[in-house]
Amino acid sequence: KNQVEQSPQSLIILEGKNCTLQCNYTVSPFSNLRWYKQDTGRGPVSLTIMTFSENTKSNGRYTATLDADTKQSSLHITASQLSDSASYICVVILYSGGGADGLTFGKGTHLIIQP
Amino acid sequence: NAGVMQNPRHLVRRRGQEARLRCSPMKGHSHVYWYRQLPEEGLKFMVYLQKENIIDESGMPKERFSAEFPKEGPSILRIQQVVRGDSAAYFCASSDRDADTGELFFGEGSRLTVL
Repeated sequence: KNQVEQSPQSLIILEGKNCTLQCNYTVSPFSNLRWYKQDTGRGPVSLTIMTFSENTKSNGRYTATLDADTKQSSLHITASQLSDSASYICVVILYSGGGADGLTFGKGTHLIIQP
Repeated sequence: NAGVMQNPRHLVRRRGQEARLRCSPMKGHSHVYWYRQLPEEGLKFMVYLQKENIIDESGMPKERFSAEFPKEGPSILRIQQVVRGDSAAYFCASSDRDADTGELFFGEGSRLTVL
């Protein structure tokens, strides 16, 4: 069964510090992996999209890495800001389309940045 | 260019009533996905539609739930005879192609509360 596991479930860090969120998946065959940011009460917003051949992709202070061999991804946030407080969702896309099995969502990591 | 528009943002219904949730995809997008999210849970796939066609509804309960995406107008997710367990946030996402290659853009969600 295709699964996406994220860790930690929640994380609290001080403003200005860095943090790394983890995503392990069993989805196969793999097409691409995405990280989304979901603010409380809002819809998810895409941060990065990584294909099989990409190891690293950055979007400002967000850097995602992908190891397709070990089926692991991480999202690193540098110099955190209060506005980074949100849930971060890892989504793995199956190489076959967008239906029920096409996108597997993790439950997210709930990140809180404290001043 | 407006993003994915969902309405209503909040909806309160009593048990047994009907709930209609609307989603206008981004301009030029013909692929629409509906997801349901319970508190502290990940997004769960419900249904995938293209203009006038249901592509995959395997995530949607067979009873009481239906979805459509007419040639003109928004996509509608309809829940008949709502029960308390239907209380959740319902998110719509749109894409200009299959989600395995196209980027998904999410709306802000419709939060249904069943009394």
